Amino acid sequence: QVQLVESGGGVVQPGRSLRLSCAVSGFIFSSYGMHWVRQAPGKGLEWVAVISYDGSNKYYVDSVKGRFTISRDNSKNTLSLQMNSLRAEDTALYYCAKANSSTQRGYFDYWGQGTLVTVSS
Amino acid sequence: EIVLTQSPGTLSLSPGERATLSCRASQSVTSNYLAWYHQKPGQAPRLLIYGASSRATGIPDRFSGSGSGTDFTLTISRLEPEDFAVYYCQQYSSSPNTFGQGTKLEIK
Repeated sequence: QVQLVESGGGVVQPGRSLRLSCAVSGFIFSSYGMHWVRQAPGKGLEWVAVISYDGSNKYYVDSVKGRFTISRDNSKNTLSLQMNSLRAEDTALYYCAKANSSTQRGYFDYWGQGTLVTVSS
Repeated sequence: EIVLTQSPGTLSLSPGERATLSCRASQSVTSNYLAWYHQKPGQAPRLLIYGASSRATGIPDRFSGSGSGTDFTLTISRLEPEDFAVYYCQQYSSSPNTFGQGTKLEIK
């Protein structure tokens, strides 16, 4: 069955960096776009970033452009999110989500359980 | 970006009743690229509907989606206890992907 398992969350000071990972199994990872979606405590869902099936196209929400970098390793079935210059407003549960298509468009048909990032001094 | 507004914010109903949730877009959602998810406390969101009206795998037929353009509806025909959750709509017709703010469906 499809599984997505995030890791790498934690407590970090403002301005510091953190790298999230998502290990996937149960589907052909190299055929699908992958997304990061976050949810601040008690709030709704916010899309963060997407990467196409082959890594050639990447898009970000405006609030993280220039600070976050999405990447993937199709040989290891792993999705990553490098987060630099973290801010308090980046505090959230970060989900990786599988897209239904190979490109940056699409809905999210499978989700991980999330990894919590807390930015605090 | 397309802004999605969901209504009502909270819906209080009893098991067995019919629920109607609305999602209105600030501009047309082309190709009906609109999805619905629900999220139970402590869990990840789960896909219910895609393409405005297609049920995802394993979703019971009491869930149905309708609408086009800027107005979309999720209907749950007869509420079961496990349906009480927060519901989100999402558009994927234009970048960036955006979600509505959510409708909380609570037990009356």
